[in-house]
Amino acid sequence: QKEVEQNSGPLSVPEGAIASLNCTYSDQGSQSFFWYRQYSGKSPELIMFIYSNGDKEDGRFTAQLNKASQYVSLLIRDSQPSDSATYLCAVGSGNSGYALNFGKGTSLLVTP
Amino acid sequence: GAVVSQHPSRVICKSGTSVKIECRSLDFQATTMFWYRQFPKQSLMLMATSNEGSKATYEQGVEKDKFLINHASLTLSTLTVTSAHPEDSSFYICSASGRSSGNTIYFGEGSWLTVV
Repeated sequence: QKEVEQNSGPLSVPEGAIASLNCTYSDQGSQSFFWYRQYSGKSPELIMFIYSNGDKEDGRFTAQLNKASQYVSLLIRDSQPSDSATYLCAVGSGNSGYALNFGKGTSLLVTP
Repeated sequence: GAVVSQHPSRVICKSGTSVKIECRSLDFQATTMFWYRQFPKQSLMLMATSNEGSKATYEQGVEKDKFLINHASLTLSTLTVTSAHPEDSSFYICSASGRSSGNTIYFGEGSWLTVV
Protein backbone atom coordinates (compact mmCIF):
# COMPACT_ATOMS: atom_id res chain seq x y z
CA GLN A 1 0.00 0.00 0.00
CA LYS A 2 1.55 3.27 -1.11
CA GLU A 3 0.76 5.89 1.48
CA VAL A 4 1.23 9.61 1.65
CA GLU A 5 0.79 11.10 5.09
CA GLN A 6 0.06 14.68 6.02
CA ASN A 7 -1.05 16.31 9.22
CA SER A 8 -4.63 17.40 8.60
CA GLY A 9 -4.25 20.56 10.68
CA PRO A 10 -5.55 23.16 10.73
CA LEU A 11 -2.21 24.91 10.77
CA SER A 12 -2.69 28.51 11.81
CA VAL A 13 -0.01 31.13 11.17
CA PRO A 14 -0.13 34.92 11.37
CA GLU A 15 0.12 37.00 8.23
CA GLY A 16 3.74 37.53 7.22
CA ALA A 17 5.02 34.43 8.99
CA ILE A 18 6.49 31.28 7.45
CA ALA A 19 4.13 28.34 7.06
CA SER A 20 5.75 24.91 7.07
CA LEU A 21 3.85 21.97 5.63
CA ASN A 22 5.15 18.44 5.91
CA CYS A 23 4.56 15.18 4.09
CA THR A 24 5.95 11.66 4.37
CA TYR A 25 5.56 8.82 1.90
CA SER A 26 5.98 5.09 2.09
CA ASP A 27 7.00 4.09 -1.44
CA GLN A 28 10.79 4.18 -1.68
CA GLY A 29 10.51 4.01 -5.47
CA SER A 30 8.81 7.39 -5.64
CA GLN A 31 10.49 9.75 -8.06
CA SER A 32 8.35 12.84 -8.31
CA PHE A 33 6.77 15.01 -5.69
CA PHE A 34 4.16 17.69 -6.04
CA TRP A 35 2.44 20.25 -3.91
CA TYR A 36 -1.05 21.34 -4.86
CA ARG A 37 -3.25 23.99 -3.31
CA GLN A 38 -6.97 23.36 -3.15
CA TYR A 39 -9.56 25.90 -2.20
CA SER A 40 -12.86 24.60 -0.90
CA GLY A 41 -15.00 23.27 -3.73
CA LYS A 42 -12.30 23.83 -6.34
CA SER A 43 -9.89 21.63 -8.20
CA PRO A 44 -6.27 21.33 -7.05
CA GLU A 45 -3.86 23.90 -8.41
CA LEU A 46 -0.23 22.97 -8.93
CA ILE A 47 2.18 25.02 -6.82
CA MET A 48 5.48 23.23 -7.22
CA PHE A 49 7.09 19.98 -8.14
CA ILE A 50 10.45 18.59 -7.12
CA TYR A 51 12.35 15.55 -8.33
CA SER A 52 15.80 15.83 -6.69
CA ASN A 53 16.97 15.94 -3.12
CA GLY A 54 17.42 19.40 -1.70
CA ASP A 55 15.56 22.66 -1.95
CA LYS A 56 13.69 24.21 -4.84
CA GLU A 57 12.53 27.80 -4.60
CA ASP A 58 9.82 29.55 -6.59
CA GLY A 59 8.83 32.98 -5.34
CA ARG A 60 7.50 32.68 -1.80
CA PHE A 61 7.43 28.90 -2.00
CA THR A 62 10.25 26.47 -1.23
CA ALA A 63 9.92 22.73 -1.63
CA GLN A 64 12.33 20.50 0.24
CA LEU A 65 12.92 16.85 -0.53
CA ASN A 66 14.81 14.25 1.46
CA LYS A 67 14.48 10.86 -0.24
CA ALA A 68 16.50 9.06 2.44
CA SER A 69 13.97 10.15 5.04
CA GLN A 70 11.05 9.87 2.57
CA TYR A 71 10.05 13.35 3.49
CA VAL A 72 8.97 16.37 1.50
CA SER A 73 7.98 19.77 2.78
CA LEU A 74 6.65 23.07 1.54
CA LEU A 75 7.60 26.40 3.07
CA ILE A 76 5.51 29.47 2.39
CA ARG A 77 7.27 32.72 3.23
CA ASP A 78 5.45 35.96 3.99
CA SER A 79 2.16 34.08 4.31
CA GLN A 80 -0.93 35.92 3.13
CA PRO A 81 -4.59 35.37 4.04
CA SER A 82 -5.12 34.32 0.42
CA ASP A 83 -2.79 31.39 1.07
CA SER A 84 -5.46 29.92 3.35
CA ALA A 85 -6.40 26.65 1.69
CA THR A 86 -5.79 22.93 1.86
CA TYR A 87 -2.36 21.88 0.64
CA LEU A 88 -2.10 18.46 -0.94
CA CYS A 89 1.11 16.52 -1.15
CA ALA A 90 1.23 14.14 -4.11
CA VAL A 91 3.80 11.49 -4.93
CA GLY A 92 4.42 9.71 -8.21
CA SER A 93 6.44 6.66 -9.03
CA GLY A 94 7.62 7.74 -12.44
CA ASN A 95 8.29 10.75 -14.58
CA SER A 96 5.91 10.16 -17.44
CA GLY A 97 2.31 9.04 -17.63
CA TYR A 98 2.03 7.99 -14.02
CA ALA A 99 -0.72 8.41 -11.46
CA LEU A 100 -0.24 10.34 -8.26
CA ASN A 101 -0.93 9.23 -4.73
CA PHE A 102 -2.33 12.06 -2.69
CA GLY A 103 -2.17 12.79 0.99
CA LYS A 104 -5.36 13.93 2.68
CA GLY A 105 -4.08 17.47 2.78
CA THR A 106 -3.18 20.01 5.44
CA SER A 107 -5.54 22.87 6.07
CA LEU A 108 -3.67 26.17 6.38
CA LEU A 109 -5.21 29.26 7.92
CA VAL A 110 -3.35 32.55 7.66
CA THR A 111 -4.76 35.09 10.08
CA PRO A 112 -4.56 38.84 9.42
CA GLY B 1 0.87 26.60 -17.46
CA ALA B 2 -1.06 24.02 -19.39
CA VAL B 3 -4.83 24.12 -19.38
CA VAL B 4 -7.19 21.24 -18.79
CA SER B 5 -10.87 21.94 -19.09
CA GLN B 6 -13.76 19.92 -17.71
CA HIS B 7 -17.40 20.11 -18.64
CA PRO B 8 -19.92 20.37 -17.12
CA SER B 9 -18.75 22.00 -13.91
CA ARG B 10 -21.97 21.04 -12.17
CA VAL B 11 -24.58 18.50 -13.11
CA ILE B 12 -27.65 17.11 -11.43
CA CYS B 13 -29.15 13.90 -12.69
CA LYS B 14 -31.90 11.55 -11.66
CA SER B 15 -31.10 8.24 -10.07
CA GLY B 16 -30.80 5.53 -12.69
CA THR B 17 -29.76 7.79 -15.52
CA SER B 18 -26.29 8.24 -17.03
CA VAL B 19 -24.17 11.35 -17.16
CA LYS B 20 -21.07 12.14 -19.19
CA ILE B 21 -18.20 14.36 -18.07
CA GLU B 22 -15.67 15.63 -20.58
CA CYS B 23 -12.03 16.43 -19.97
CA ARG B 24 -10.04 18.32 -22.58
CA SER B 25 -6.42 19.34 -22.73
CA LEU B 26 -6.51 22.70 -24.48
CA ASP B 27 -2.90 23.42 -25.30
CA PHE B 28 -1.03 20.15 -25.16
CA GLN B 29 -1.42 16.55 -26.22
CA ALA B 30 -2.42 14.46 -23.25
CA THR B 31 -1.09 10.98 -23.75
CA THR B 32 -2.37 10.01 -20.32
CA MET B 33 -5.43 11.18 -18.46
CA PHE B 34 -6.50 10.31 -14.96
CA TRP B 35 -9.89 10.40 -13.32
CA TYR B 36 -10.21 11.09 -9.60
CA ARG B 37 -13.13 11.29 -7.24
CA GLN B 38 -13.18 13.38 -4.11
CA PHE B 39 -15.80 13.20 -1.40
CA PRO B 40 -16.16 16.16 0.97
CA LYS B 41 -13.14 16.63 3.23
CA GLN B 42 -11.49 13.55 1.75
CA SER B 43 -8.45 13.22 -0.42
CA LEU B 44 -8.49 12.63 -4.14
CA MET B 45 -8.96 8.96 -4.93
CA LEU B 46 -7.72 7.70 -8.27
CA MET B 47 -10.44 5.89 -10.19
CA ALA B 48 -8.73 5.05 -13.44
CA THR B 49 -5.86 5.82 -15.77
CA SER B 50 -6.40 6.08 -19.49
CA ASN B 51 -3.88 6.23 -22.30
CA GLU B 52 -4.94 7.53 -25.67
CA GLY B 53 -6.24 4.75 -27.85
CA SER B 54 -6.15 2.13 -25.11
CA LYS B 55 -8.60 0.75 -22.60
CA ALA B 56 -8.56 2.44 -19.24
CA THR B 57 -6.92 0.80 -16.24
CA TYR B 58 -9.22 0.90 -13.26
CA GLU B 59 -8.21 0.98 -9.62
CA GLN B 60 -9.32 -1.80 -7.34
CA GLY B 61 -12.88 -1.37 -6.24
CA VAL B 62 -13.90 0.85 -9.16
CA GLU B 63 -16.53 -0.76 -11.40
CA LYS B 64 -15.45 -0.44 -15.00
CA ASP B 65 -18.96 -1.14 -16.27
CA LYS B 66 -20.36 1.66 -14.17
CA PHE B 67 -17.68 4.25 -14.84
CA LEU B 68 -17.03 4.15 -18.57
CA ILE B 69 -13.90 5.94 -19.67
CA ASN B 70 -13.07 6.79 -23.25
CA HIS B 71 -9.84 8.42 -24.36
CA ALA B 72 -10.32 8.55 -28.08
CA SER B 73 -8.01 11.42 -28.88
CA LEU B 74 -4.96 13.14 -27.46
CA THR B 75 -7.07 16.03 -26.24
CA LEU B 76 -10.28 14.44 -24.98
CA SER B 77 -11.26 11.88 -22.39
CA THR B 78 -14.77 11.24 -21.16
CA LEU B 79 -16.13 9.65 -18.00
CA THR B 80 -19.67 8.32 -18.15
CA VAL B 81 -21.36 7.42 -14.88
CA THR B 82 -23.98 4.86 -15.81
CA SER B 83 -27.10 4.07 -13.79
CA ALA B 84 -26.14 6.75 -11.31
CA HIS B 85 -27.11 6.44 -7.67
CA PRO B 86 -27.10 9.06 -4.93
CA GLU B 87 -23.90 7.58 -3.48
CA ASP B 88 -22.17 8.46 -6.77
CA SER B 89 -22.65 12.12 -5.91
CA SER B 90 -19.14 13.50 -5.65
CA PHE B 91 -16.56 15.86 -7.11
CA TYR B 92 -14.99 14.25 -10.17
CA ILE B 93 -11.66 15.62 -11.33
CA CYS B 94 -9.61 14.74 -14.36
CA SER B 95 -5.93 15.37 -14.83
CA ALA B 96 -3.71 15.06 -17.83
CA SER B 97 -0.08 14.86 -18.73
CA GLY B 98 2.00 14.58 -21.83
CA ARG B 99 5.45 15.34 -23.16
CA SER B 100 4.36 18.76 -24.31
CA SER B 101 3.22 19.59 -20.76
CA GLY B 102 6.69 18.75 -19.55
CA ASN B 103 5.22 15.57 -18.08
CA THR B 104 3.74 17.71 -15.33
CA ILE B 105 0.22 16.73 -14.38
CA TYR B 106 -2.44 19.40 -14.64
CA PHE B 107 -5.94 19.19 -13.27
CA GLY B 108 -9.24 20.15 -14.78
CA GLU B 109 -11.61 22.39 -12.85
CA GLY B 110 -13.60 19.45 -11.59
CA SER B 111 -17.23 18.46 -12.02
CA TRP B 112 -19.75 18.32 -9.21
CA LEU B 113 -22.21 15.49 -9.72
CA THR B 114 -25.38 15.35 -7.68
CA VAL B 115 -27.66 12.36 -8.15
CA VAL B 116 -31.18 12.87 -6.87
